[in-house]
Amino acid sequence: NAGVTQTPKFQVLKTGQSMTLQCAQDMNHEYMSWYRQDPGMGLRLIHYSVGAGITDQGEVPNGYNVSRSTTEDFPLRLLSAAPSQTSVYFCASSYGALGLEQFFGPGTRLTVL
Amino acid sequence: AQTVTQSQPEMSVQEAETVTLSCTYDTSESDYYLFWYKQPPSRQMILVIRQEAYKQQNATENRFSVNFQKAAKSFSLKISDSQLGDAAMYFCAYRWGATNKLIFGTGTLLAVQP
Repeated sequence: NAGVTQTPKFQVLKTGQSMTLQCAQDMNHEYMSWYRQDPGMGLRLIHYSVGAGITDQGEVPNGYNVSRSTTEDFPLRLLSAAPSQTSVYFCASSYGALGLEQFFGPGTRLTVL
Repeated sequence: AQTVTQSQPEMSVQEAETVTLSCTYDTSESDYYLFWYKQPPSRQMILVIRQEAYKQQNATENRFSVNFQKAAKSFSLKISDSQLGDAAMYFCAYRWGATNKLIFGTGTLLAVQP
């Protein structure tokens, strides 16, 4: 049982490049979400999904796309990276939308030059 | 809008002593949950303790306990018998009943002095 996994752990992009941050969980969790962590700002919700085929926006969705074709995977796409997207990105999952504990992945540190 | 405030950017405690981290929140909801997460230098987010708003009894997990003051919208974390491994960033988080979206505070960096 690997829990929540994220790849890559580190990434450097140039402004305007696109990339996909991968997130997978093997706990059969329905609910998955993406957060970004910036210094002095805590974690903020980007997008979330309550099940395969269902996604919705969080607090800071601009510049990011998501899709949920399977229960296990919830990739986050940066369409055209900007320096303001330099951050640490966390994926989380829980059993159902009311699952009381969210399990977090190890995070991806992204730098946009 | 719901907000979570942690007014102590940094705290320090001596090993074996007790420290209390503060958190206040603002909400008009009656059904909600509160959490404390620990983030050590490894960056991993670890759930420390949670409190259901409908429960009057304060949650306790080993050396960690909370002081939940619902009327004051205050949710502080007390760490007893502090250990070197407790050194980390601590985040207070809020979630309202019908959703699993977490709102985080800005964190408190706890240092433990030997």
